[in-house]
Amino acid sequence: AQSVTQLGSHVSVSEGALVLLRCNYSSSVPPYLFWYVQYPNQGLQLLLKYTTGATLVKGINGFEAEFKKSETSFHLTKPSAHMSDAAEYFCAVSGLAGNMLTFGGGTRLMVKP
Amino acid sequence: DTAVSQTPKYLVTQMGNDKSIKCEQNLGHDTMYWYKQDSKKFLKIMFSYNNKELIINETVPNRFSPKSPDKAHLNLHINSLELGDSAVYFCASSHQEGEQYFGPGTRLTVT
Repeated sequence: AQSVTQLGSHVSVSEGALVLLRCNYSSSVPPYLFWYVQYPNQGLQLLLKYTTGATLVKGINGFEAEFKKSETSFHLTKPSAHMSDAAEYFCAVSGLAGNMLTFGGGTRLMVKP
Repeated sequence: DTAVSQTPKYLVTQMGNDKSIKCEQNLGHDTMYWYKQDSKKFLKIMFSYNNKELIINETVPNRFSPKSPDKAHLNLHINSLELGDSAVYFCASSHQEGEQYFGPGTRLTVT
């Protein structure tokens, strides 16, 4: 079975500060890892993904994440938060039959002026 | 052009009714999915379907059934609706093992 844990259901940062959203996973097969963002009353938008190869992946809107197999982690970072980054962020894993995603519980990012 | 679309966006209905939510994708993907997001924002896979295989999350009640008239559509039928079915339902699509593109969601409210 696969599972994803996102530490911190709410994270608050000041505008311009570093954003760090934590994600740990468990998987019995080599994982594919994803970060999605959800703005209020909207669907999910892919920020970035890790499949194979380079463990540091860059995504849209200045976000990046690093796959650390030894720590079973895939934390999301952004050097400088913008007000427009305020949203719900979901980490997800796939790798089993049907490519179905297993999501973490989500982290709401709040950005203070 | 909308990549993954769902109709309706909002659906309010009474317990015991049967309803359907439609999903269409114009991305040429071969696999489609349905997810349920509950009131606490938790997302759970319900189904994965391509032209060869339907994979059902074992926790999904058999009142829920996906129907695919063609490769670009995957509709969700729900029989005998219950209060606990109230949620936002998302359709998604992908090439096999590729990233998934999500629709805007359908907010279902059962009264």
